[in-house]
Amino acid sequence: AQSVTQPDIHITVSEGASLELRCNYSYGATPYLFWYVQSPGQGLQLLLKYFSGDTLVQGIKGFEAEFKRSQSSFNLRKPSVHWSDAAEYFCAVGFYNQGGKLIFGQGTELSVKP
Amino acid sequence: SQTIHQWPATLVQPVGSPLSLECTVEGTSNPNLYWYRQAAGRGLQLLFYSVGIGQISSEVPQNLSASRPQDRQFILSSKKLLLSDSGFYLCAWSLKQGSSGNTIYFGEGSWLTVV
Repeated sequence: AQSVTQPDIHITVSEGASLELRCNYSYGATPYLFWYVQSPGQGLQLLLKYFSGDTLVQGIKGFEAEFKRSQSSFNLRKPSVHWSDAAEYFCAVGFYNQGGKLIFGQGTELSVKP
Repeated sequence: SQTIHQWPATLVQPVGSPLSLECTVEGTSNPNLYWYRQAAGRGLQLLFYSVGIGQISSEVPQNLSASRPQDRQFILSSKKLLLSDSGFYLCAWSLKQGSSGNTIYFGEGSWLTVV
């Protein structure tokens, strides 16, 4: 069965430090992969996505993610975290068929220390 | 540009009462539509998706139902709410394949508290 795992429920980093959020997926074919961010009480905003081609994708707000097929991973990174990056981050796998639905991981809550 | 609206934004309902959450998409036609639920401290669970009018796929057995009476309208309903139905409900849409892939765009969500 298809699934997405975000092993870190909560991460705290200092402002200005680098960030890496982990995401592993289980899917039989080449997946479509996404990262979304959610501020408290709000909907989700797309950060970046991978469909094909270059395995390092750039997103908004200075985020990037790298697709590694051999590790079934799609980790999100940012070289220098800002206080405004504090939010919950969701990794998701998309399906070409089945109405284009997304399966989400459980999310990683990011806290930023001043 | 496309926009998505869902309402009400917050709702407090007693156990056993009915529910209706409504979602509409503007600026596009024939979208895929989705209802997700986010329980407190948990990830997003896909409840229903729809690829066209009257076409509903249910992902999990539950106390809820969905309908799509018009192309850009998606409704989440319940005849009798349970305490476990409390959560944050998100409507979302995507274009059909071949346009922007299946990127899903979310509404602002509806908070449901069942008391």
